[in-house]
Amino acid sequence: GESVGLHLPTLSVQEGDNSIINCAYSNSASDYFIWYKQESGKGPQFIIDIRSNMDKRQGQRVTVLLNKTVKHLSLQIAATQPGDSAVYFCAENTIKAAGNKLTFGGGTRVLVKP
Amino acid sequence: EAGVAQSPRYKIIEKRQSVAFWCNPISGHATLYWYQQILGQGPKLLIQFQNNGVVDDSQLPKDRFSAERLKGVDSTLKIQPAKLEDSAVYLCASSLGGWAGAYNEQFFGPGTRLTVL
Repeated sequence: GESVGLHLPTLSVQEGDNSIINCAYSNSASDYFIWYKQESGKGPQFIIDIRSNMDKRQGQRVTVLLNKTVKHLSLQIAATQPGDSAVYFCAENTIKAAGNKLTFGGGTRVLVKP
Repeated sequence: EAGVAQSPRYKIIEKRQSVAFWCNPISGHATLYWYQQILGQGPKLLIQFQNNGVVDDSQLPKDRFSAERLKGVDSTLKIQPAKLEDSAVYLCASSLGGWAGAYNEQFFGPGTRLTVL
C-alpha cells in the first residue's frame, strides 16, 4: 500500500553543524508533506510543512525540500542544537472530502553531540 | 492556548483485561483522531471523528477496540480484551476541521503509554 519511509534510522551530528534528514514517499497524490519532531514522552510536534506544488520552504533554522521527480523529501536543520535531539517523522497529508488523513513514516533519531 | 489533554499517562494491565483512554481536544476543534504508536514506529491512525461522527475507522481492530465521542468534544478509546501486541503509546490529536477539502494542521497530545503483560 501507500507508505512514507525514511532512509536513516539514526543520525549523529555535532552541535553547531547542519543536519539533513531524508524521507522517501510513494503516494504522488498527497497534498502536503509535514515534518514532526517527537521528544521522549511527548506527542509529535509540528515543525514545518510543504504543499505538494512547492519545491522548497524555509522556517526558523529549518528548510524542507521536496523533489517530486524522485519522490523525496528532506529536512535541513541549520546550526543543530542539543534541543534538536529527538525522533523526526515525515508524514504525508491527503485532503479528502471527509477530512485530512495523515500517514507517518518510521522516524529518524537525531543525536546531537556537544 | 491549552493543548490536547490525555489521561492516564501510563497504564499497565494484564492480557485479557480491559482498558480505557480519555482525550480532551483543543477547544473548538471539530476533528479528533486516535493513533497507535508502537515503539520505534510512526503513529498509525486508528479512528477519526468529525464532531461526533466517525469519518474513518478502517484501521481500527473492531473486535477488541472501540471509540466514542458522544457530545462531539471529549473522546474515549477502549480495548477489551487487551493482547500483548496492544502495548504501545496511544496518541490523540485534534484539528479545526469543520469544512471539507481544506488543509488542517493536527495537534497531538502527550499520549498514554500502555503496557500489556
